[in-house]
Amino acid sequence: SQTIHQWPATLVQPVGSPLSLECTVEGTSNPNLYWYRQAAGRGLQLLFYSVGIGQISSEVPQNLSASRPQDRQFILSSKKLLLSDSGFYLCAWLRLGQNPNEQYFGPGTRLTVT
Amino acid sequence: DAKTTQPPSMDCAEGRAANLPCNHSTISGNEYVYWYRQIHSQGPQYIIHGLKNNETNEMASLIITEDRKSSTLILPHATLRDTAVYYCIVVNAGNNRKLIWGLGTSLAVNP
Repeated sequence: SQTIHQWPATLVQPVGSPLSLECTVEGTSNPNLYWYRQAAGRGLQLLFYSVGIGQISSEVPQNLSASRPQDRQFILSSKKLLLSDSGFYLCAWLRLGQNPNEQYFGPGTRLTVT
Repeated sequence: DAKTTQPPSMDCAEGRAANLPCNHSTISGNEYVYWYRQIHSQGPQYIIHGLKNNETNEMASLIITEDRKSSTLILPHATLRDTAVYYCIVVNAGNNRKLIWGLGTSLAVNP
């Protein structure tokens, strides 16, 4: 069966510090991968998606970046965090098949920038 | 921007059916209607999807109007564990599988 992992679960970082969030998927190959952010009381905002190793599409201009160094690894980074980067970060993967948009989500990372 | 409109909140008594409406008046012929839900502080969970026909699975039923401009998600016997935010999403299957999320409906199932 497939599993998606995210870590850390919670993170408190000062403004201006770097960020690295990791997402890994087990039990599947060549998935589409997605990073979302959810501000308090809001819907999910798509940040990045990837259809393959080294292929990253950015949806929203910001100070975040993403990388996919391996097929089942997706990393979200920042060189200098802003207060507005606080939120709930979710990684998701998509299995291509009969159901074109059933995305599976990880447990999320709650980031607080202070 | 999200292509759907949902009421911000609804209440339902435990054991009764919960009917969650969604308007998607600008839906195109090749766009699907997807429903996800998000229990507090967890990642969203897929529920069901449809194109034209009504659909049913072990979690819910999806009723899509003939003109496809609106749909209703039905939880036939709501339980306390169904308390969550429910998102209705319209998506083109060919659009790199991107989902555009609105604010959803916060469903409270009361004992």
